[in-house]
Amino acid sequence: EAGVAQSPRYKIIEKRQSVAFWCNPISGHATLYWYQQILGQGPKLLIQFQNNGVVDDSQLPKDRFSAERLKGVDSTLKIQPAKLEDSAVYLCASSAAGTGWPQHFGDGTRLSIL
Amino acid sequence: AQSVTQLDSQVPVFEEAPVELRCNYSSSVSVYLFWYVQYPNQGLQLLLKYLSGSTLVKGINGFEAEFNKSQTSFHLRKPSVHISDTAEYFCAVSDLRTGFQKLVFGTGTRLLVSP
Repeated sequence: EAGVAQSPRYKIIEKRQSVAFWCNPISGHATLYWYQQILGQGPKLLIQFQNNGVVDDSQLPKDRFSAERLKGVDSTLKIQPAKLEDSAVYLCASSAAGTGWPQHFGDGTRLSIL
Repeated sequence: AQSVTQLDSQVPVFEEAPVELRCNYSSSVSVYLFWYVQYPNQGLQLLLKYLSGSTLVKGINGFEAEFNKSQTSFHLRKPSVHISDTAEYFCAVSDLRTGFQKLVFGTGTRLLVSP
């Protein structure tokens, strides 16, 4: 089966600019996650969708980050305006419905803020 | 809230030697435990998971882990490593309160295998 697709793979922007990342989960996976992985740290959950509804966005900096999952399939994560501390790898993951199903990760988007 | 501690940030080992990567978790309720591997410039790949049942879990690439509830540990082991095992390894936990869907990751252990 095809894995989780993410684009772009790399992005370089200047601070205060805006940027968007795209994710297409594994077909049929109801749950979609966005993680932020800062260099030297483990991934941190930003937002979790169940179909097209938000389940958990408690760690999403809502003053600058936004995410949507229209039609319950692919998703977009946006940062506006970007800050230097947003430099990280942004990982998208998906899982089937139900408990215990493992999350499958995409290769991520590496964001560098100048 | 649950948390994960990976005590070693880096573990150097020679090829064909055994290795153990340590993971301790903190949670007051039933947990699911996972080990993921991350190769350079790639996403995370599931190595193995503990949901219930036997405390010794076998995963891909010859790795195994043992769940120890009394010591709240889930250490990862491999009897003989290869150069290709060089990567970052993450332990993660989810628990009953979050419906087992929210993963909390440790800070990772970099395994460096040399000839």
